[in-house]
Amino acid sequence: TQLLEQSPQFLSIQEGENLTVYCNSSSVFSSLQWYRQEPGEGPVLLVTVVTGGEVKKLKRLTFQFGDARKDSSLHITAAQPGDTGLYLCAGTASGGSYIPTFGRGTSLIVHP
Amino acid sequence: SQTIHQWPATLVQPVGSPLSLECTVEGTSNPNLYWYRQAAGRGLQLLFYSVGIGQISSEVPQNLSASRPQDRQFILSSKKLLLSDSGFYLCAWSVTGGNTEAFFGQGTRLTVV
Repeated sequence: TQLLEQSPQFLSIQEGENLTVYCNSSSVFSSLQWYRQEPGEGPVLLVTVVTGGEVKKLKRLTFQFGDARKDSSLHITAAQPGDTGLYLCAGTASGGSYIPTFGRGTSLIVHP
Repeated sequence: SQTIHQWPATLVQPVGSPLSLECTVEGTSNPNLYWYRQAAGRGLQLLFYSVGIGQISSEVPQNLSASRPQDRQFILSSKKLLLSDSGFYLCAWSVTGGNTEAFFGQGTRLTVV
């Protein structure tokens, strides 16, 4: 059983479209991270959210942490081909070990 | 600033040969260190983690082992590679007692033939 469930698994869209990917769990998380990974490279940290209801923006990317700290979403506005990659969420459950648990990721392709 | 180096970037090894992948971190002390394996561009499977020199915890029993001979050095090894050991291996570090933000190396693409 995956602690963090990400959806959708795959997403193929045209440049300029908006999209949202989700990261859900039945557990409460003390913090949650989002990463982007390009083929053949290691994941790169995008953001960390720690407070329930928190919203963070990184240019055209908007990250939200659920009020109950069990879920998170990543919204991309006007997607560009450079946004193509694997988006991974990760975190540690409250009261659990400090070791980050990763979701299986959402593979995004943005076509020009 | 902190940096992490992982090498080699790609490796092709015959079945039954040994393996040694090395990872070093600069600019921080006493980091938590991790080895992950990733299959087919999907999620990360934690293989080993370490909270200090000589302290190794294994998450998945398999044909691999890890060692931490120095504070900022983490090594992934195998005595005899199997075909199933092929994959993309990632080293990462995080701050001890922090919010578990992980910082990754560039990865090693291992192909066992």
